[in-house]
Amino acid sequence: DIQMTQSPSSLSASVGDRVTITCRASQSISNYLNWYQQRPGKGPKFLIYAASSLQSGVPSRFSGSGSGTDFTLTITSLQPEDFATYYCQQSYSMPYTFGGGTKVEIK
Amino acid sequence: QVQLQESGPGLVKPSETLSLTCTVSGGSISSSSYYWGWIRQPPGKGLEWIGNIYYSGSTYYNPSLKTRVTISVDTSKNQFSLKVNSVTAADTAVYYCARRPSSGSKNWFDPWGQGTLVTVSS
Repeated sequence: DIQMTQSPSSLSASVGDRVTITCRASQSISNYLNWYQQRPGKGPKFLIYAASSLQSGVPSRFSGSGSGTDFTLTITSLQPEDFATYYCQQSYSMPYTFGGGTKVEIK
Repeated sequence: QVQLQESGPGLVKPSETLSLTCTVSGGSISSSSYYWGWIRQPPGKGLEWIGNIYYSGSTYYNPSLKTRVTISVDTSKNQFSLKVNSVTAADTAVYYCARRPSSGSKNWFDPWGQGTLVTVSS
């Protein structure tokens, strides 16, 4: 199985801050990397596919980059509704695997 | 807009079978454009993909669970279901159902249901 490692596991930030979350794959997955946002008590929301393509309706302050084994999710100008947990997921091969999550908390 | 809703018992005894159903509304489960999947999340932990099913009944399972898991589809009810046999406390989790595009490279899940907590305890 491909292991996905996210860092940090949590971070504290203020409204308006720029936030960067990292996801590393245990082997090259090209750009087969997706990002999700999960708010407490809710199912995950799909944000980004193919490492850098924004899903329709997702605000442009979200962006993704990377290829191979190293990927990043960036949120520019953090908004109150962005405080949530973010997960990466590799879609290169089954079994699909997820990172452990990064919780973005209010400073 | 497609919506998914999980349903089933919230408490299952050890060694018994966990059974959940996902009801799809706002779209047809018989669409050739999608797979339908189950993902779980143990309390305080990350997400684990369980498996997918196509409307035809073709299935793909996570090898870590394959011997205990069965996913089935009922197109007449627009539902698909999950069964996990011989459950232990390690199967305690929030279980989500989700839709996945069937196009080869589009292996993402969108949308997801709200999830249902299943606790394994005597």
